[in-house]
Amino acid sequence: NAGVTQTPKFRVLKTGQSMTLLCAQDMNHEYMYWYRQDPGMGLRLIHYSVGEGTTAKGEVPDGYNVSRLKKQNFLLGLESAAPSQTSVYFCASSYGAGGDASGETQYFGPGTRLLVL
Amino acid sequence: AQKITQTQPGMFVQEKEAVTLDCTYDTSDPSYGLFWYKQPSSGEMIFLIYQGSYDQQNATEGRYSLNFQKARKSANLVISASQLGDSAMYFCAMRERTSYDKVIFGPGTSLSVIP
Repeated sequence: NAGVTQTPKFRVLKTGQSMTLLCAQDMNHEYMYWYRQDPGMGLRLIHYSVGEGTTAKGEVPDGYNVSRLKKQNFLLGLESAAPSQTSVYFCASSYGAGGDASGETQYFGPGTRLLVL
Repeated sequence: AQKITQTQPGMFVQEKEAVTLDCTYDTSDPSYGLFWYKQPSSGEMIFLIYQGSYDQQNATEGRYSLNFQKARKSANLVISASQLGDSAMYFCAMRERTSYDKVIFGPGTSLSVIP
């Protein structure tokens, strides 16, 4: 039981390059999230998904796209990377429903460090 | 408007003492969940404690307790008997259930435990 995994762990991009970050979870969670963490800013929600085939925008969606073709995977894409997208990216998942700790608690992946030059 | 406020960027506490980390939130949704997460220097996010808006009692998990004051919209984390391993960033978060499905995080508080 791996929990939430993220690929890659670290990446360096040049401005204008594209890349996809992969998040995978083996807990049969419905909800999945992508956050970015910058110094002094906490975690900011980029996009999220409440089920296979659905996605929604978070607080800072510009410059990113996502897809949830399979329940266990949530992909984050950068079509044309910019230095402002240098950050640590976290994926998280949760059951989503239930109105209690077991339903709502998010489980996080280890993060991906992205440096855009 | 900022939904989660953590007014203490940095805190120090003596080992074995108790410490309170402040969190206030803003919502008009009557149904929500509140969370605290710990992020040590290694970077992973560790879930600590949860409080539902309709829960009558304050949540407790081992040395962690949540001082939930609904009318004041505050959800302070209390760590009793601090240990050196408690040195980390601590984040307060909220999920508004009926309006949104997203979870919003505060800016965090850095806690340093002094031997």
